[in-house]
Formats: sequence, structure tokens, C-alpha cells
Amino acid sequence: DTAVSQTPKYLVTQMGNDKSIKCEQNLGHDTMYWYKQDSKKFLKIMFSYNNKELIINETVPNRFSPKSPDKAHLNLHINSLELGDSAVYFCASSLIYNEQFFGPGTRLTVL
Amino acid sequence: AQSVTQPDIHITVSEGASLELRCNYSYGATPYLFWYVQSPGQGLQLLLKYFSGDTLVQGIKGFEAEFKRSQSSFNLRKPSVHWSDAAEYFCAVGAGSGNTGKLIFGQGTTLQVKP
Repeated sequence: DTAVSQTPKYLVTQMGNDKSIKCEQNLGHDTMYWYKQDSKKFLKIMFSYNNKELIINETVPNRFSPKSPDKAHLNLHINSLELGDSAVYFCASSLIYNEQFFGPGTRLTVL
Repeated sequence: AQSVTQPDIHITVSEGASLELRCNYSYGATPYLFWYVQSPGQGLQLLLKYFSGDTLVQGIKGFEAEFKRSQSSFNLRKPSVHWSDAAEYFCAVGAGSGNTGKLIFGQGTTLQVKP
């Protein structure tokens, strides 16, 4: 009965590779988010989709591309990975303007 | 611009002692305020939230927080800390209706509990 799930939990890859992280929620929420947590544990919003429409697109390199096939799924694709992309990426979901529920995170390590 | 400041990067308390974690925010309108907890290697769990109404809000695990508009603060308190409370605590402000609903997080406070 997982609420917000992410796959994979760990991702280790070489610089220059392309990778994807998947997120699914079974809470019936209409809004999903991607956050990045850096090595100092600072959390920053990256993207948000509401009913499959992009509503937040922060200052993020265009190597990062979110995609929401339906309201329950939000994926994050990263092209040409760089060392600085190493972080923990969290997916979250909510009814818009309400509290957000977070997934367990995906720890991305770029070598 | 919205911002959240958690002045204490690291706090150590003895088990059974009381706890207060500070949070100050900057936001033009009435904010939506949240406290989340992150245990090592885990995601974020919502402790409590303030949207409107009673300025003293109760949360899970015995935590409470008080919204003070005059001080732009939303401090988290617990009367008696348990060893299992050791974790990272994040205060966040959310943009309400008419905005995007995104959360702006503080830099977090690491809580260590001494036996």
C-alpha cells in the first residue's frame, strides 16, 4: 500500500550517460513534484505537474526533462549526466495547495 | 521572494528533555507552513501543517508548532524527546491559492539525542 514510490532507489552511472527515474503515486492526487536534495541536505523544487500539465519549471538545466503520462506518474529523464547531478531526487504528490507526500528518494551517483 | 530560515543547523538534547526548533519565514501573504522530518536514508514525513485558524497546531509523534505572524515564526516543539526523534527536521512554506503550490524549504536542523 505504498503511497509514493520511486524506482530505482539507487542509481550509479558514468558521466555522459542518460538515465531515468520513475515515480508513481496511488493517493489520487492531482499534482506531482520533483525535488533535488544536495549533499548539504538542501531541498529545492525542480518541476511540478498538475493534471499532466507542467506548472513549475525552475531554473534547471535542459538536460533534465520531466514527463507525466498520467496523473499518477511522473518520470524524470536526465541526459548527458554530469558529476554535479549527483544528489538525492525526491518525488512528491499532493492535491494542489495541500500537504505534499514524499517518496523514499533516488540516490544518484555520477562517476 | 519567499524564504525560510532555520537558524540552528545542529541541536543536541538529552533524552527526556524538551525541544524547540526554530523556523522563520518570509512571505507576503498568509503562508501555508509545514514541518517535515527525514530519518537517515529515508524520505520526508509530514509532522504537522498550518493553513489557517488556531495558531497552535498538533502533529504526529507528540510534536506541536505555533504560528506567530508578528514574528514570522513557526517553531516546532516537543515536551519530551525520545531517542527515535534523532533525525533531520525541515520547515517549509508553501504558496497558497493563486500560486503554484510549491514548497520552499529551510536548510534543515539536525537533531541529535543523547542517552
